[in-house]
Amino acid sequence: GAVVSQHPSWVICKSGTSVKIECRSLDFQATTMFWYRQFPKQSLMLMATSNEGSKATYEQGVEKDKFLINHASLTLSTLTVTSAHPEDSSFYICSALGDAGNTIYFGEGSWLTVV
Amino acid sequence: GQQLNQSPQSMFIQEGEDVSMNCTSSSIFNTWLWYKQDPGEGPVLLIALYKAGELTSNGRLTAQFGITRKDSFLNISASIPSDVGIYFCAGLRDNYGQNFVFGPGTRLSVLP
Repeated sequence: GAVVSQHPSWVICKSGTSVKIECRSLDFQATTMFWYRQFPKQSLMLMATSNEGSKATYEQGVEKDKFLINHASLTLSTLTVTSAHPEDSSFYICSALGDAGNTIYFGEGSWLTVV
Repeated sequence: GQQLNQSPQSMFIQEGEDVSMNCTSSSIFNTWLWYKQDPGEGPVLLIALYKAGELTSNGRLTAQFGITRKDSFLNISASIPSDVGIYFCAGLRDNYGQNFVFGPGTRLSVLP
Protein backbone atom coordinates (compact mmCIF):
# COMPACT_ATOMS: atom_id res chain seq x y z
CA GLY A 1 0.00 0.00 0.00
CA ALA A 2 0.89 3.65 -0.19
CA VAL A 3 3.44 4.88 2.31
CA VAL A 4 3.58 8.22 4.05
CA SER A 5 6.64 9.04 6.09
CA GLN A 6 7.10 11.70 8.72
CA HIS A 7 10.34 13.11 10.01
CA PRO A 8 11.45 13.51 12.69
CA SER A 9 9.65 10.88 14.77
CA TRP A 10 10.34 12.93 17.86
CA VAL A 11 11.94 16.25 18.58
CA ILE A 12 12.72 18.28 21.67
CA CYS A 13 13.20 22.01 21.27
CA LYS A 14 13.65 25.02 23.48
CA SER A 15 10.82 27.43 24.08
CA GLY A 16 10.90 30.26 21.57
CA THR A 17 12.55 28.30 18.79
CA SER A 18 10.94 26.97 15.63
CA VAL A 19 10.75 23.36 14.55
CA LYS A 20 9.90 21.83 11.19
CA ILE A 21 8.16 18.49 10.62
CA GLU A 22 8.22 16.88 7.19
CA CYS A 23 5.59 14.67 5.63
CA ARG A 24 6.47 12.74 2.48
CA SER A 25 4.46 10.47 0.25
CA LEU A 26 7.02 7.83 -0.74
CA ASP A 27 5.42 5.97 -3.63
CA PHE A 28 2.65 8.22 -4.87
CA GLN A 29 1.95 11.85 -5.57
CA ALA A 30 -0.20 13.64 -3.05
CA THR A 31 -1.86 16.83 -4.19
CA THR A 32 -3.62 17.07 -0.85
CA MET A 33 -2.17 16.46 2.57
CA PHE A 34 -3.65 16.99 5.99
CA TRP A 35 -2.08 17.92 9.32
CA TYR A 36 -3.49 16.81 12.66
CA ARG A 37 -2.70 17.26 16.30
CA GLN A 38 -3.52 14.63 18.89
CA PHE A 39 -3.51 14.97 22.66
CA PRO A 40 -3.21 11.89 24.87
CA LYS A 41 -6.26 9.65 24.77
CA GLN A 42 -8.06 11.99 22.40
CA SER A 43 -9.07 11.82 18.78
CA LEU A 44 -7.28 13.40 15.85
CA MET A 45 -7.83 17.13 15.56
CA LEU A 46 -7.56 18.43 12.01
CA MET A 47 -5.37 21.53 11.92
CA ALA A 48 -5.16 22.30 8.23
CA THR A 49 -5.50 20.99 4.71
CA SER A 50 -2.51 21.47 2.46
CA ASN A 51 -2.79 21.60 -1.33
CA GLU A 52 0.29 21.47 -3.53
CA GLY A 53 1.19 24.86 -4.90
CA SER A 54 -1.37 26.83 -2.94
CA LYS A 55 -1.96 28.17 0.53
CA ALA A 56 -3.13 25.81 3.21
CA THR A 57 -6.66 25.95 4.55
CA TYR A 58 -6.67 26.17 8.33
CA GLU A 59 -9.37 24.96 10.66
CA GLN A 60 -11.08 27.44 12.92
CA GLY A 61 -8.97 28.27 15.93
CA VAL A 62 -5.65 27.22 14.40
CA GLU A 63 -3.20 30.10 14.09
CA LYS A 64 -1.79 30.17 10.58
CA ASP A 65 1.15 32.33 11.62
CA LYS A 66 1.99 29.90 14.38
CA PHE A 67 1.71 26.73 12.34
CA LEU A 68 3.22 27.39 8.93
CA ILE A 69 2.40 24.83 6.28
CA ASN A 70 4.21 24.53 2.97
CA HIS A 71 3.30 22.05 0.24
CA ALA A 72 5.89 22.89 -2.39
CA SER A 73 5.95 19.57 -4.20
CA LEU A 74 3.62 16.66 -4.89
CA THR A 75 5.44 14.49 -2.38
CA LEU A 76 6.32 16.85 0.45
CA SER A 77 4.43 18.99 2.91
CA THR A 78 6.04 20.64 5.92
CA LEU A 79 4.64 21.95 9.17
CA THR A 80 6.71 24.54 11.00
CA VAL A 81 5.79 25.37 14.57
CA THR A 82 7.09 28.88 15.07
CA SER A 83 8.14 30.34 18.41
CA ALA A 84 7.22 27.09 20.09
CA HIS A 85 5.92 27.08 23.65
CA PRO A 86 5.40 24.17 26.05
CA GLU A 87 1.67 24.12 25.28
CA ASP A 88 2.57 23.25 21.68
CA SER A 89 3.96 19.95 22.88
CA SER A 90 1.87 17.26 21.26
CA PHE A 91 1.72 14.42 18.77
CA TYR A 92 1.48 15.77 15.21
CA ILE A 93 0.31 13.49 12.40
CA CYS A 94 0.06 14.07 8.69
CA SER A 95 -1.93 12.20 6.09
CA ALA A 96 -2.06 12.24 2.32
CA LEU A 97 -4.83 11.70 -0.17
CA GLY A 98 -3.93 8.77 -2.42
CA ASP A 99 -3.68 8.75 -6.21
CA ALA A 100 -7.27 7.61 -6.70
CA GLY A 101 -8.49 10.42 -4.51
CA ASN A 102 -10.53 8.18 -2.25
CA THR A 103 -8.15 6.87 0.39
CA ILE A 104 -6.18 8.62 3.10
CA TYR A 105 -2.82 7.33 4.28
CA PHE A 106 -1.31 8.48 7.55
CA GLY A 107 2.26 9.12 8.53
CA GLU A 108 3.81 7.61 11.65
CA GLY A 109 3.43 10.79 13.64
CA SER A 110 5.92 13.15 15.24
CA TRP A 111 6.23 13.81 18.95
CA LEU A 112 7.09 17.40 19.77
CA THR A 113 8.25 18.35 23.25
CA VAL A 114 8.96 22.00 23.97
CA VAL A 115 11.01 22.65 27.08
CA GLY B 1 -14.08 19.44 10.93
CA GLN B 2 -17.37 17.68 11.43
CA GLN B 3 -17.11 14.34 13.18
CA LEU B 4 -18.78 11.06 12.59
CA ASN B 5 -20.36 9.20 15.48
CA GLN B 6 -18.66 6.03 16.62
CA SER B 7 -19.93 3.53 19.11
CA PRO B 8 -19.06 2.25 21.51
CA GLN B 9 -16.56 4.86 22.73
CA SER B 10 -14.61 2.14 24.48
CA MET B 11 -14.92 -1.54 25.15
CA PHE B 12 -13.28 -4.20 27.25
CA ILE B 13 -13.47 -7.74 25.97
CA GLN B 14 -11.97 -11.11 26.76
CA GLU B 15 -9.39 -12.57 24.42
CA GLY B 16 -11.10 -14.79 21.89
CA GLU B 17 -14.34 -12.82 21.83
CA ASP B 18 -15.74 -11.19 18.72
CA VAL B 19 -15.99 -7.40 18.55
CA SER B 20 -18.40 -5.16 16.71
CA MET B 21 -18.25 -1.40 16.38
CA ASN B 22 -19.99 1.05 14.13
CA CYS B 23 -19.83 4.47 12.62
CA THR B 24 -22.84 6.60 11.76
CA SER B 25 -23.57 9.92 10.17
CA SER B 26 -26.50 12.06 9.17
CA SER B 27 -24.79 12.62 5.82
CA ILE B 28 -24.10 10.35 2.89
CA PHE B 29 -20.55 9.25 2.13
CA ASN B 30 -19.11 7.61 -0.98
CA THR B 31 -16.16 6.02 0.80
CA TRP B 32 -15.72 4.58 4.27
CA LEU B 33 -12.30 3.90 5.71
CA TRP B 34 -11.37 2.06 8.90
CA TYR B 35 -8.06 2.64 10.69
CA LYS B 36 -6.33 1.30 13.76
CA GLN B 37 -4.00 3.43 15.84
CA ASP B 38 -1.51 1.90 18.26
CA PRO B 39 -0.24 4.11 21.09
CA GLY B 40 2.32 6.65 19.90
CA GLU B 41 1.91 5.80 16.24
CA GLY B 42 -0.05 7.05 13.28
CA PRO B 43 -3.29 5.36 12.20
CA VAL B 44 -2.91 2.42 9.83
CA LEU B 45 -5.50 1.72 7.15
CA LEU B 46 -7.33 -1.56 7.79
CA ILE B 47 -10.14 -1.66 5.28
CA ALA B 48 -11.46 0.67 2.58
CA LEU B 49 -15.05 0.49 1.32
CA TYR B 50 -16.07 2.20 -1.90
CA LYS B 51 -19.57 0.89 -2.69
CA ALA B 52 -22.85 0.84 -0.79
CA GLY B 53 -23.51 -2.65 0.56
CA GLU B 54 -19.91 -3.72 0.06
CA LEU B 55 -18.63 -6.27 2.56
CA THR B 56 -14.85 -6.60 2.77
CA SER B 57 -12.60 -8.77 4.90
CA ASN B 58 -8.99 -8.42 5.93
CA GLY B 59 -7.98 -11.44 7.95
CA ARG B 60 -10.08 -11.48 11.11
CA LEU B 61 -11.54 -8.10 10.28
CA THR B 62 -14.74 -7.56 8.31
CA ALA B 63 -16.29 -4.23 7.45
CA GLN B 64 -19.44 -3.26 5.62
CA PHE B 65 -20.55 -0.11 3.83
CA GLY B 66 -24.16 0.53 4.86
CA ILE B 67 -26.86 0.48 2.20
CA THR B 68 -28.01 3.97 3.17
CA ARG B 69 -24.39 5.17 2.78
CA LYS B 70 -24.72 6.79 6.19
CA ASP B 71 -23.08 4.08 8.26
CA SER B 72 -20.47 1.37 8.37
CA PHE B 73 -19.50 -1.33 10.82
CA LEU B 74 -16.31 -3.16 11.65
CA ASN B 75 -16.19 -6.64 13.15
CA ILE B 76 -13.16 -8.34 14.63
CA SER B 77 -13.40 -12.06 15.18
CA ALA B 78 -11.53 -14.08 17.81
CA SER B 79 -9.79 -11.07 19.34
CA ILE B 80 -6.16 -11.28 20.42
CA PRO B 81 -4.09 -9.00 22.68
CA SER B 82 -2.53 -7.13 19.75
CA ASP B 83 -5.98 -5.94 18.67
CA VAL B 84 -5.73 -3.38 21.48
CA GLY B 85 -5.80 0.16 20.16
CA ILE B 86 -8.08 2.89 18.89
CA TYR B 87 -10.20 2.20 15.83
CA PHE B 88 -11.17 5.20 13.74
CA CYS B 89 -13.67 5.39 10.95
CA ALA B 90 -13.43 8.04 8.26
CA GLY B 91 -15.83 9.09 5.56
CA LEU B 92 -15.10 10.72 2.23
CA ARG B 93 -17.81 12.47 0.28
CA ASP B 94 -16.08 13.27 -2.98
CA ASN B 95 -13.00 11.82 -4.63
CA TYR B 96 -10.14 14.33 -4.64
CA GLY B 97 -12.30 16.52 -2.50
CA GLN B 98 -11.58 17.74 0.98
CA ASN B 99 -14.89 16.62 2.45
CA PHE B 100 -13.15 14.09 4.62
CA VAL B 101 -14.43 13.56 8.16
CA PHE B 102 -13.47 11.09 10.83
CA GLY B 103 -14.96 9.61 13.95
CA PRO B 104 -13.75 10.09 17.51
CA GLY B 105 -12.58 6.50 17.70
CA THR B 106 -13.46 3.34 19.61
CA ARG B 107 -10.87 2.35 22.21
CA LEU B 108 -10.54 -1.42 22.43
CA SER B 109 -8.99 -3.25 25.36
CA VAL B 110 -8.50 -7.00 25.26
CA LEU B 111 -8.22 -8.83 28.54
CA PRO B 112 -6.18 -12.04 28.57
